Amino acid sequence: AQSVTQLDSQVPVFEEAPVELRCNYSSSVSVYLFWYVQYPNQGLQLLLKYLSGSTLVKGINGFEAEFNKSQTSFHLRKPSVHISDTAEYFCAVSQNTGGFKTIFGAGTRLFVKA
Amino acid sequence: GAVVSQHPSRVICKSGTSVKIECRSLDFQATTMFWYRQFPKQSLMLMATSNEGSKATYEQGVEKDKFLINHASLTLSTLTVTSAHPEDSSFYICSARFWTDTNYGYTFGSGTRLTVV
Repeated sequence: AQSVTQLDSQVPVFEEAPVELRCNYSSSVSVYLFWYVQYPNQGLQLLLKYLSGSTLVKGINGFEAEFNKSQTSFHLRKPSVHISDTAEYFCAVSQNTGGFKTIFGAGTRLFVKA
Repeated sequence: GAVVSQHPSRVICKSGTSVKIECRSLDFQATTMFWYRQFPKQSLMLMATSNEGSKATYEQGVEKDKFLINHASLTLSTLTVTSAHPEDSSFYICSARFWTDTNYGYTFGSGTRLTVV
């Protein structure tokens, strides 16, 4: 079984400041890792994913994340946020075998202030 | 590529009636689809895994007879909320797994806001 922990439920930050949204996971098997963004009353949009290879993954909208196997983390970062980045962000873990289920973290509300 | 279309986006129904939500993969074949439920300001909770041509696999605590899932083709999975009650009001999201030689991931529908009155 796997689990995902997003350490911050809310992250307020000023516009143009850097931000890091933290995600830790646990799993007994190899996993794939994802970050999604959700705007109110909408589905999920994929920001980036780690399947294999380079541990630094670049995604859309200037986001990037680094997979750290020893720390079982997959933190999301952006060097300079915009007001439009205000949304809910979900870290997700998927088994790469068996049922391929995806488990989501509780979410982090990023609130960008002017 | 790998687009999933979910309908309806919003539905209001009377208590005791049934509601069907459709999830279609538009440009790929989805042998596996997933149904999630999301309460306000909460994360997505996996309800069931839908496999084309076979019975769905439900997560613990999800009532199979209440949330009927049908995955009769490689491009369509449906979730029917039977005898809906106000506590079934929620945001339901479907997801499909896709993979190619160079890509792998999950794509999500835009969600269905169900309100039972």
